Amino acid sequence: DGGITQSPKYLFRKEGQNVTLSCEQNLNHDAMYWYRQDPGQGLRLIYYSQIVNDFQKGDIAEGYSVSREKKESFPLTVTSAQKNPTAFYLCASSPGTRQPQHFGDGTRLSIL
Amino acid sequence: SQKIEQNSEALNIQEGKTATLTCNYTNYSPAYLQWYRQDPGRGPVFLLLIRENEKEKRKERLKVTFDTTLKQSLFHITASQPADSATYLCALVLFTGGFKTIFGAGTRLFVKA
Repeated sequence: DGGITQSPKYLFRKEGQNVTLSCEQNLNHDAMYWYRQDPGQGLRLIYYSQIVNDFQKGDIAEGYSVSREKKESFPLTVTSAQKNPTAFYLCASSPGTRQPQHFGDGTRLSIL
Repeated sequence: SQKIEQNSEALNIQEGKTATLTCNYTNYSPAYLQWYRQDPGRGPVFLLLIRENEKEKRKERLKVTFDTTLKQSLFHITASQPADSATYLCALVLFTGGFKTIFGAGTRLFVKA
């Protein structure tokens, strides 16, 4: 059954720590995305990738980093430079950037 | 400035009635408009897409309209059911050299039995 898997579902970060959120898809989609969702706000784009080994910054990339070494995988690292990391993080994929996006079920990150 | 506006107040309706949700935008010229459903603690799920040259699109109990003059899309759920209770997001797909999707904050719908 095709889809997007995000793990873990809940993640806790200590001050000064980097954490990595996993996103894997078996839909054979070229494009993948990371969004941040805060209460009362729309999804905000952090990074996106249209093809393996290439990615672009979104609207709020500061304090985050990504890699796209395999088509199926697009991990997001929340670095210690991200001063307000508490949020719900959503990963998505699509065949191309004009098509509707398929989303994972998110990772909720909290600060200890 | 560029904005997508969806009613931040929750919409409460009785089962069997038609729910109508609004998406207004300013200073965008979208190529497409999409609607998604999001349940609490889950990722959004794509429902419908309508192109800029289309006025209306239907899928089962769902209907979307798109008025590029008013810069508005309406999303209707007919014969609503408690299972339709969720947050509904609209998204504009813009072409600015490449395609970019911009999401609204969503409107929460509660359908009472």
